Amino acid sequence: DVKVTQSSRYLVKRTGEKVFLECVQDMDHENMFWYRQDPGLGLRLIYFSYDVKMKEKGDIPEGYSVSREKKERFSLILESASTNQTSMYLCASSFWGVSYEQYFGPGTRLTVT
Amino acid sequence: AQTVTQSQPEMSVQEAETVTLSCTYDTSESDYYLFWYKQPPSRQMILVIRQEAYKQQNATENRFSVNFQKAAKSFSLKISDSQLGDAAMYFCASRLNAGNNRKLIWGLGTSLAVNP
Repeated sequence: DVKVTQSSRYLVKRTGEKVFLECVQDMDHENMFWYRQDPGLGLRLIYFSYDVKMKEKGDIPEGYSVSREKKERFSLILESASTNQTSMYLCASSFWGVSYEQYFGPGTRLTVT
Repeated sequence: AQTVTQSQPEMSVQEAETVTLSCTYDTSESDYYLFWYKQPPSRQMILVIRQEAYKQQNATENRFSVNFQKAAKSFSLKISDSQLGDAAMYFCASRLNAGNNRKLIWGLGTSLAVNP
């Protein structure tokens, strides 16, 4: 089974702090994704990566950056956390293939106070 | 632009009965994939079922089946013999099979309650 893990289930940070969310997958997937999930807004794509050191902006990249130094690891960085970044963050991965279906981690619920 | 619409924000079903969740999508392309994902409360999002647009036959996975109407751009999920463990948020998603497109387009989800 594919396993996607995220570094924290719950995280509380203060406004202005730099926040790192880590995601690791163990199936040698080429593609990795970061979403945020808010009630009534569904899943919104922040960034994705299709190879080591490669990244593309999603629909809501403002206020976020990402890093992918190793194939299995994809980090989401909030350079200066703000209260409007309080949300559930989901990481996903997918492999090169026909359907490109995505496999998800358990999520990190981030609260910025 | 491709869109996915789930018109039912909330639904409920009695245990052991059948429920159908609706999903419509809008694309001018002919080659794409459709997915239903399930997100139980406080648990991981998992893939329930996938459908390739070129396949006429509706996909089935145990108690889960889809009604894929390509001309109508409709992709509904039927859950038979509903169980308490089926209570979850269900998301419909699509992916255009064009170039190296890796992105899924998501609906806003339907919250399904299962009543004992």
